[in-house]
Amino acid sequence: GAVVSQHPSRVICKSGTSVKIECRSLDFQATTMFWYRQFPKQSLMLMATSNEGSKATYEQGVEKDKFLINHASLTLSTLTVTSAHPEDSSFYICSARDHYRTGGEQYFGPGTRLTVT
Amino acid sequence: GESVGLHLPTLSVQEGDNSIINCAYSNSASDYFIWYKQESGKGPQFIIDIRSNMDKRQGQRVTVLLNKTVKHLSLQIAATQPGDSAVYFCAENIDQAGTALIFGKGTTLSVSS
Repeated sequence: GAVVSQHPSRVICKSGTSVKIECRSLDFQATTMFWYRQFPKQSLMLMATSNEGSKATYEQGVEKDKFLINHASLTLSTLTVTSAHPEDSSFYICSARDHYRTGGEQYFGPGTRLTVT
Repeated sequence: GESVGLHLPTLSVQEGDNSIINCAYSNSASDYFIWYKQESGKGPQFIIDIRSNMDKRQGQRVTVLLNKTVKHLSLQIAATQPGDSAVYFCAENIDQAGTALIFGKGTTLSVSS
């Protein structure tokens, strides 16, 4: 149980285009999902917290108009990188908390490798 | 307070040795800590967790030690195997607050046979 999927696993896009990444909890409901970004040889950096049915909370320095987050259901959150540039190339990872557990582990997706050319 | 235990970005061991990976966490209010293993191109994989009311927890071949006084966490891997080669991260949060995990700097473990 507690599986989180991401789609696509890797994507290449041209500079100036937008790309959407999906994060799904497959066997549990997730009120809250989190989006992280990881540059090569670095740690995971929290970008935003996504709450079902409400606006996402962004970390300092993360542009909310560039990284659009939608959490329309208890099993799906999407991250859209708008007007992507080469510096947005990174590994994007989501995680989810089980709605019916008040604490405990977060479950991570397998990540999405974004390359902007 | 200051942390003890040096964080090393890389650690190289021989197969069969015991490995110790250290982490200094930042928030004295954190009460939940997790160690993750990350292989190249993959998401983090849960290894073991510990809550702040404990100072030691053991799993299969792994032990986590928590020193709240100096905000230090360590992961011990017994009889390290080549398959243990990966990047290891510690993460912390305030569990009941439902906040995101904050990750520490990773340590790349290389196991040679």
